[in-house]
Amino acid sequence: GAVVSQHPSRVICKSGTSVKIECRSLDFQATTMFWYRQFPKKSLMLMATSNEGSKATYEQGVEKDKFLINHASLTLSTLTVTSAHPEDSSFYICSARGRVRFTDTQYFGPGTRLTVL
Amino acid sequence: AQKITQTQPGMFVQEKEAVTLDCTYDTSDQSYGLFWYKQPSSGEMIFLIYQGSYDEQNATEGRYSLNFQKARKSANLVISASQLGDSAMYFCAMREVSGSARQLTFGSGTQLTVLP
Repeated sequence: GAVVSQHPSRVICKSGTSVKIECRSLDFQATTMFWYRQFPKKSLMLMATSNEGSKATYEQGVEKDKFLINHASLTLSTLTVTSAHPEDSSFYICSARGRVRFTDTQYFGPGTRLTVL
Repeated sequence: AQKITQTQPGMFVQEKEAVTLDCTYDTSDQSYGLFWYKQPSSGEMIFLIYQGSYDEQNATEGRYSLNFQKARKSANLVISASQLGDSAMYFCAMREVSGSARQLTFGSGTQLTVLP
């Protein structure tokens, strides 16, 4: 199956610092990448959608200045949590959408667990 | 209204038995896609199976099959011959054509526990 990598898998940082999370589609070109946030025992909440070479579209209630998304190429998107605070601690999952085996499907990265102290 | 409804927060099944995880959806689109993902405790979302709204046959992938009842707007996942490794959170999701980015909308999930 298609592979999406996400780095780092875990990060612990101090309050006020910025954290960058990378998402790569390894064996297909992702026309669109999505960033989700997931709280324990809850479903995935879509934060933003990004298309290569254009600005990300943020969901209502998501601060675009706090969660900076860059979609530099068809295989790479980054999420930067700026000036992180403890309430930003969460599980962040990226997803890449592409056509694999004739099916237009979203494949997910393994997630990044962010802990802000 | 919820677009994707999973009414079973938790399910238990005996190893080697079959289990059905329920999913109902709400859309006015004629063309849409339905997905099931598995999320083990590691957190990774694993794609299991896809059903297109125009597909006449129910999708199957190994031990997974999707019981698609379009008139009832249900897309239940059937796992046959359950294994201990099937214990995980399962999410049903839908992608509507009319959405601007055609992103997935997820249900609240069902925690499946396979008992030895």
